[in-house]
Amino acid sequence: SQQGEEDPQALSIQEGENATMNCSYKTSINNLQWYRQNSGRGLVHLILIRSNEREKHSGRLRVTLDTSKKSSSLLITASRAADTASYFCAPTNTGRRALTFGSGTRLQVQP
Amino acid sequence: GAGVSQSPSNKVTEKGKDVELRCDPISGHTALYWYRQSLGQGLEFLIYFQGNSAPDKSGLPSDRFSAERTGGSVSTLTIQRTQQEDSAVYLCASSLGDRGRNTIYFGEGSWLTVV
Repeated sequence: SQQGEEDPQALSIQEGENATMNCSYKTSINNLQWYRQNSGRGLVHLILIRSNEREKHSGRLRVTLDTSKKSSSLLITASRAADTASYFCAPTNTGRRALTFGSGTRLQVQP
Repeated sequence: GAGVSQSPSNKVTEKGKDVELRCDPISGHTALYWYRQSLGQGLEFLIYFQGNSAPDKSGLPSDRFSAERTGGSVSTLTIQRTQQEDSAVYLCASSLGDRGRNTIYFGEGSWLTVV
C-alpha cells in the first residue's frame, strides 16, 4: 500500500511550543504531500516535498524527507491555537493513480 | 468557480432511500476524486476520474455505490438503498493532471446522515 501512516495519532501541546508529526510509508515515491483538516472539513494542501529533496520550508512549517528510511516529518514551530487540526501525509509514486491518506495526527494546541 | 463545490452540504435521509451527491471541480482540472470520512476516522478513497480514462473504482465499498462524471466536469456520487453505516462526510477533490504531481483541492464535503 502506498498509504502513509502518521504518528502520533494525537498530540497536545501548549501555544508557542513546536509540534512534530511523523509519516512512514512502504513504497518508493515521487513526492510526498502534507495536508491539514479542520474539524471534518475539506483538506487543505500545506506543502509538497519531492523525492530528491531532503528539507523544505514554508512559513512556520518545516518538512523533512528521508527516502532511505521511508519517512517524513512535519514540524510546526511556535504553534498557535489556530493550528489545532488533523494533519495527513500522502506519499505518491507512478504506480498509484489516486492519493490515499492515513488516519492522520490530531493536533490540539492549548491557548 | 474558484474552488471545488459540493452539494448538498448536509443531507439527512431515511434508511433504504437513494441519495445523490454532487461535485463541481475547479475549472480545467482533469482529475477528480471522491473520499469518505467517518467521524474521527481517516479518509477512505472511493473513486478517481482522470480525463477520458476508465475510472479507478477500486475504493467503492459495495455495488450500492456508483459515480459518474459527465463531460469531464461535474461528478455525481450515488448511494442506493442507504444504510446507517453510510453516514459520513463525503469529500470531493480535484487536481490538474493525475496522481500527486499536483496539489489536490478539496471541497467542504457533503455530510450524510442516514436515520
